[in-house]
Amino acid sequence: KAGVTQTPRYLIKTRGQQVTLSCSPISGHRSVSWYQQTPGQGLQFLFEYFSETQRNKGNFPGRFSGRQFSNSRSEMNVSTLELGDSALYLCASSRTLAGVGEQYFGPGTRLTVT
Amino acid sequence: KNEVEQSPQNLTAQEGEFITINCSYSVGISALHWLQQHPGGGIVSLFMLSSGKKKHGRLIATINIQEKHSSLHITASHPRDSAVYICAPYNTDKLIFGTGTRLQVFP
Repeated sequence: KAGVTQTPRYLIKTRGQQVTLSCSPISGHRSVSWYQQTPGQGLQFLFEYFSETQRNKGNFPGRFSGRQFSNSRSEMNVSTLELGDSALYLCASSRTLAGVGEQYFGPGTRLTVT
Repeated sequence: KNEVEQSPQNLTAQEGEFITINCSYSVGISALHWLQQHPGGGIVSLFMLSSGKKKHGRLIATINIQEKHSSLHITASHPRDSAVYICAPYNTDKLIFGTGTRLQVFP
């Protein structure tokens, strides 16, 4: 069974630009969660989508948004990039809601903002 | 004060040693995950537990909901166990993460 895939794996953007990251969950998984990991803040929850509905959102500004499609693939978007948005962005999928089912993580997208 | 505290932050061990990593949290939870992150960044879920104890190979995870504490044990540690171990309680529909314990096992 194919694992969680994320594209692109690496990305360099300039301040003020916007970026879209993609996550394809394991087949049959309906939940996709997004996380940001930085050396200073560690891992932080961004949002979770389940059956195309956003269930919860972490403490991030409105510049961070996401969506989930009917095939469970998910995208997250960051507008007006800031230097502090440089991070590893991870998505994870699970069959049931995140937290009550085992989560399977993708390899991450490493975003560098210059 | 952080909602999730892990100890120790760093741990070195000789191959074969018994390892214990502790996680204490201050919020109510419905489940707790233990994650493993290797230097390349990839994260693997080791355990999800809501009570008692789980075992998988050389790894054992325990949780005491009343005391808000969980432990991860590695028996007969091996250099391939070298990684960062992260405790992640599930609270109000989201995972909250500890800062991780960096484990290095030397042959």
